[in-house]
Amino acid sequence: DAGVIQSPRHEVTEMGQEVTLRCKPISGHNSLFWYRQTMMRGLELLIYFNNNVPIDDSGMPEDRFSAKMPNASFSTLKIQPSEPRDSAVYFCASSSDRGNYGYTFGSGTRLTVV
Amino acid sequence: GQQVMQIPQYQHVQEGEDFTTYCNSSTTLSNIQWYKQRPGGHPVFLIQLVKSGEVKKQKRLTFQFGEAKKNSSLHITATQTTDVGTYFCAVASGGSYIPTFGRGTSLIVHP
Repeated sequence: DAGVIQSPRHEVTEMGQEVTLRCKPISGHNSLFWYRQTMMRGLELLIYFNNNVPIDDSGMPEDRFSAKMPNASFSTLKIQPSEPRDSAVYFCASSSDRGNYGYTFGSGTRLTVV
Repeated sequence: GQQVMQIPQYQHVQEGEDFTTYCNSSTTLSNIQWYKQRPGGHPVFLIQLVKSGEVKKQKRLTFQFGEAKKNSSLHITATQTTDVGTYFCAVASGGSYIPTFGRGTSLIVHP
């Protein structure tokens, strides 16, 4: 299994531009999570999906952030317009069986907004 | 949301010394998971604890869940340079299985 696959690995963009982060979860995992990691705030849960349905998006910072999961093998996190304070590492993670076997994280996307 | 405190924030040790990180919650937990993140890497699942007083071992790593299910510890015996990284606990409580991550303990091992 290739694990959770995220793209791009690095993204540098100018303030005001739209950014789209992509994630392919592990096949067979029915839950998908988007996390943001910064030095100031640590690992924050932004949103999670169960069986492709968004369950809790209370961690999404504001309306500039949106996430979709059109099918079981693909999810996107979009920031529009991006701001410098959005600079962080964004992780996607997936799990099965309510996470009893742990959450498998992707390698992350390091986003820099200048 | 669920509040969890993890201490210490940083720990420097000489190779061969032991290391312990603690995770504390004010509420009773359903379970606790531990993850390791190498510098520049992503969190990797180590283990899950569910039962009160549970102790699990993985080679030089010992994980313990408190009797009251409000705290946990990760102990590494005789650290090696390969143990360098940040160790996170992730806790779930109430009816939710969604974990809240602690801020992590960064372990620095000096050869």
